[in-house]
Formats: sequence, structure tokens, C-alpha cells
Amino acid sequence: RKEVEQDPGPFNVPEGATVAFNCTYSNSASQSFFWYRQDCRKEPKLLMSVYSSGNEDGRFTAQLNRASQYISLLIRDSKLSDSATYLCVVNIGRRSSNYQLIWGAGTKLIIKP
Amino acid sequence: EPEVTQTPSHQVTQMGQEVILRCVPISNHLYFYWYRQILGQKVEFLVSFYNNEISEKSEIFDDQFSVERPDGSNFTLKIRSTKLEDSAMYFCASSEGLVTYEQYFGPGTRLTVT
Repeated sequence: RKEVEQDPGPFNVPEGATVAFNCTYSNSASQSFFWYRQDCRKEPKLLMSVYSSGNEDGRFTAQLNRASQYISLLIRDSKLSDSATYLCVVNIGRRSSNYQLIWGAGTKLIIKP
Repeated sequence: EPEVTQTPSHQVTQMGQEVILRCVPISNHLYFYWYRQILGQKVEFLVSFYNNEISEKSEIFDDQFSVERPDGSNFTLKIRSTKLEDSAMYFCASSEGLVTYEQYFGPGTRLTVT
């Protein structure tokens, strides 16, 4: 099983639609979870940290299910500018490895006008 | 807004040559990182650095790689003898604290080994 696994994509959706991204992770000891966004040939940028209770930031909602080792990201009312690759990122979870983040392969989102 | 900077933006080198990639982290950050991303593939952790020493490194970070903070501002990644498979985008990142803190990424250096 891959350490961090995401939907392969791409997702092609019309502007205004709601999009859901899924991610699973293999290490039950992982403590920190993030969604990053990466535009083509650019650096990753943090979109949201994911907290146990779930969190929302405007049109974006992130949720964590520790029992299922599953993380989700929901984008409501999608905009053309949301087109990017969305990366699920998890810390490796070993006590001696607090510094290391493991990255999913990303899911590409294409918003169509 | 403070940002991480990296130079050069693109480096072309011949196989077997040494390259040094440079990064200037955000000034009040204490933790520094290098990642690489081969074109079309996922981001991969290389190394983290804190208090002037390596905190952690991945299997990719073998003996041909080294990092240094030669002065108070620069953070460098050296690849001693480049291979074709080292061609990738190399990102530097920094953070105020440990992994729960946001890591700010630089724009990357595209390394092409011919």
C-alpha cells in the first residue's frame, strides 16, 4: 500500500460545481495532515492544515477520519482559478521522524468555464 | 511578505559535474528543507536541517548529496557528481517550527543533467 494515496484524476468540472478530493494514508501514527495546491511548474503552496475536528476556510472544507486513515477536501462553488493539482501531505509518523512529510501524487483539477 | 528565494532558476550541467543549489530561507525561520520533484512525479523529501545539522534525511539523500548553511542566510544543496536521474525541480522550504508549522516553499531550481 502506498504511504499516501490520492484519486488519480484529472477531474474536469464546470465552474460553480462542488469537487471532492480523497486521500488515504498508511501510517496510523501520523499526526499532521495538510492539503497543498501546486500550479503547473510552480512550487507547492499550503492550502489548509487538516484538524481532527474538521475545518473550513471559505469555500474549502477539510476533514480527517483517523479510524479510516482518510482525509478529504471539498471545494464548493469552484472557480476557474481553482484549476491546479491538489496534494495530500502527511507526516511520516515515526517518533524519530517528525520532520519528514510524505506527499501524495496529487489530483489535477481542471475547471471549465 | 517575506519569501524563500532560490538561485539559479535553471541549471544545466553535464553528468559527473558538481552543482550547488542555493536558497535563502525566510529570516526568522529555524527549520530548512530540500525536496525534489521529477517532472510529472510527486514531491519527494530529501533532507531537513535544524540548528546547523541534518535532522533527518530520506533514502534519496545518499553520499553524493550534502547541505550546508555557510552563513546566516544561505542554505545550500550540493550534488557532488550529478547523474542523469538527478534531473528534477529542487525546492527549498523553511518553517518557523516543526512539521506542524507551515512550510514555505521557494520557486525551485530546475536542474537538467545532460
